[in-house]
Amino acid sequence: DQQVKQNSPSLSVQEGRISILNCDYTNSMFDYFLWYKKYPAEGPTFLISISSIKDKNEDGRFTVFLNKSAKHLSLHIVPSQPGDSAVYFCAAQEAGNMLTFGGGTRLMVKP
Amino acid sequence: NAGVTQTPKFQVLKTGQSMTLQCAQDMNHEYMSWYRQDPGMGLRLIHYSVGAGITDQGEVPNGYNVSRSTTEDFPLRLLSAAPSQTSVYFCASSYLVAGELFFGEGSRLTVL
Repeated sequence: DQQVKQNSPSLSVQEGRISILNCDYTNSMFDYFLWYKKYPAEGPTFLISISSIKDKNEDGRFTVFLNKSAKHLSLHIVPSQPGDSAVYFCAAQEAGNMLTFGGGTRLMVKP
Repeated sequence: NAGVTQTPKFQVLKTGQSMTLQCAQDMNHEYMSWYRQDPGMGLRLIHYSVGAGITDQGEVPNGYNVSRSTTEDFPLRLLSAAPSQTSVYFCASSYLVAGELFFGEGSRLTVL
C-alpha cells in the first residue's frame, strides 16, 4: 500500500502559466518532505524540501506548500518554462528512516 | 567532481543469469541506497547502508544482495535474474539519513 501518492500521472501546462503538482501521504509520522526532478536518461535531482514545522517554502520559481491536516503537499512552479518539462517525484521521510517516494508526475510545458 | 557513478548503464540478461551493478561515490557520504524505478510505482527502496559494514533491507529486497566493504562502494547483486527485475536501477548517497539524496544516472536492466 503506497504511503505517498501522486494521483496525476501527467500534467500539461502552457509556458508562462502556473504548474501545480500534488502529492498525498497517509503516514502521519512523516516530518520531512522533498521534491525531486528527473529528466530522461538522468538520475533524479533534488529540487526543494519542507519540514513539517512549516507550511510553505519558496525557492525562486518553486514553492512547496504543506497541509498537514489534509496530509497533502503541492509544488507550484511560476512561471512555467519548457525546461521544466520532466518527471517530478515527491518524497516523504519519517525521522531516522529512508525516503518513501510517490509514483511521479510527468510535467509537459508547451511553448 | 564525479558524484555518484553507476555501471553499467545498460545490461541485457537471460533469466537465471547473475550480475552485479556497481555504484561508487566520491563525496564521503555515509548513507547509500539502491532504488528501482518502474512505471507508476515511483522509486522503491531495495537495500540501503548507513555505513561501511552495515546494510539493511528496504521495501523490495527479494532477489537482491548488497555489501558495503568501503565507504565509497555499494554494489547490488542479482543472484538469479528474473523478468520481474527488468527495471531502471538508481544508486543514491547522502551525508545524513535525513536530507537530500544524490543519485547516479541509472542502470537500465532487461531480463529476457
